[in-house]
Amino acid sequence: DAKTTQPPSMDCAEGRAANLPCNHSTISGNEYVYWYRQIHSQGPQYIIHGLKNNETNEMASLIITEDRKSSTLILPHATLRDTAVYYCIVRVASNTGKLIFGQGTTLQVKP
Amino acid sequence: DGGITQSPKYLFRKEGQNVTLSCEQNLNHDAMYWYRQDPGQGLRLIYYSQIVNDFQKGDIAEGYSVSREKKESFPLTVTSAQKNPTAFYLCASSRTDGVYEQYFGPGTRLTVT
Repeated sequence: DAKTTQPPSMDCAEGRAANLPCNHSTISGNEYVYWYRQIHSQGPQYIIHGLKNNETNEMASLIITEDRKSSTLILPHATLRDTAVYYCIVRVASNTGKLIFGQGTTLQVKP
Repeated sequence: DGGITQSPKYLFRKEGQNVTLSCEQNLNHDAMYWYRQDPGQGLRLIYYSQIVNDFQKGDIAEGYSVSREKKESFPLTVTSAQKNPTAFYLCASSRTDGVYEQYFGPGTRLTVT
C-alpha cells in the first residue's frame, strides 16, 4: 500500500472550512484514498473514501487531484467537535482489509 | 443499535498474567481486526480474521493470540510473553466484498504493572 504524508497539525476557526491535505505520490491505479478521524481516547471513525472522482457525503468532501498524487479532505463548517486526529490512508480494496495508520494530522478547531 | 462493543473500557493487570479483551459486533460483518495504539502513535494491526475459524497475523502479533469461533466475536488474549502490553486496544469489523470501510469499537485501555 502507498505511503501518505500529512502535516502534523493544523488550526481552524470554528465555522470556517477546514482543508486537510494529504500527499500520496506513489499511489497505484487500483488504490483508494480513505479518510478516518479519531477523537481523543475513542475509536477511529470512517469519514469518506474515493478512487479518482471527487466525493461528498454528510460529513465531508474529498478532492483528489487529476494525477491522484494528492488529496484534500474538506470539512465545510468546522465545529469544536471536529477537533481530532485525521488519518489519510491509501490502500487496495483487497480481501485483507488491512489499514496502515500513519501519524495523521491533529486538527484543532478554535472558537 | 448496530455496532461494535468492547469491554471493559479500562483494564488493569499484574505483570505475568494473561488477559482477554472482548470484542463483539452485530453488524453481520465477516471480517474483524485488532489494533494496538501507543500514546501519540497511529494504529498497528495485531491480528485479523476474514471468516469464522480463520485468522492471520498482522504486523505485531507476537505475544498475542485470538480466536474466531463465532462471526460476532473476536476475543484477543494478551499473554505474558508480550513485552510491553500497556496500550489502547481497538477492535474493528468490516464487510469483505467491494470497497469497504472499517467500523471501530470504543477501545479498551490496558495497563499492566
